[in-house]
Amino acid sequence: SQTIHQWPATLVQPVGSPLSLECTVEGTSNPNLYWYRQAAGRGLQLLFYSVGIGQISSEVPQNLSASRPQDRQFILSSKKLLLSDSGFYLCAWSDLTGDYGYTFGSGTRLTVV
Amino acid sequence: AQTVTQSQPEMSVQEAETVTLSCTYDTSENNYYLFWYKQPPSRQMILVIRQEAYKQQNATENRFSVNFQKAAKSFSLKISDSQLGDTAMYFCAFMSSNSGYALNFGKGTSLLVTP
Repeated sequence: SQTIHQWPATLVQPVGSPLSLECTVEGTSNPNLYWYRQAAGRGLQLLFYSVGIGQISSEVPQNLSASRPQDRQFILSSKKLLLSDSGFYLCAWSDLTGDYGYTFGSGTRLTVV
Repeated sequence: AQTVTQSQPEMSVQEAETVTLSCTYDTSENNYYLFWYKQPPSRQMILVIRQEAYKQQNATENRFSVNFQKAAKSFSLKISDSQLGDTAMYFCAFMSSNSGYALNFGKGTSLLVTP
């Protein structure tokens, strides 16, 4: 069966520090991969999605970036964190069309101080 | 762009009762998919139910069912025999091929099930 792993679960980082969140999927090949952010009291905002290695689409302008170095690995990064980057980050995967929905990781709670 | 609206920020229901969560969406497309996700306090997003727009029959998963009204662009979730474990945020989501298969979420409804 397919599983998705996301880490770390919790992260407290100072303003201006770098960020690296990692997500890996097991049990499937060539998944679509997604990064979402959930701010307090709000819905989920799609940040990036990837349909293949090295293929990244950005949905919103920001100081975050994403990379997909391997088929089942998706990384969210920042060179310098802002206070506004605080939130709950969720990684997800789907099959080619995604019409059966996404499967989400357990999320990372990021607090920038 | 497609928008998803959940007009009820918070709701509560007593255990064993039935509750309905509302969702409306805006799209000009004819083929799309709708979902309800549950996010309990653990914050794990869990798929509850899925509806294909070209199917007129409402989807059902055990105690969860939907009322899909395509013309009205309405997609409500009914939870029957509510249980304490149903306490969670519930998100309605929309997807179509024209949105690049990206899931667009509403802002959520916080449901509290009381004893």
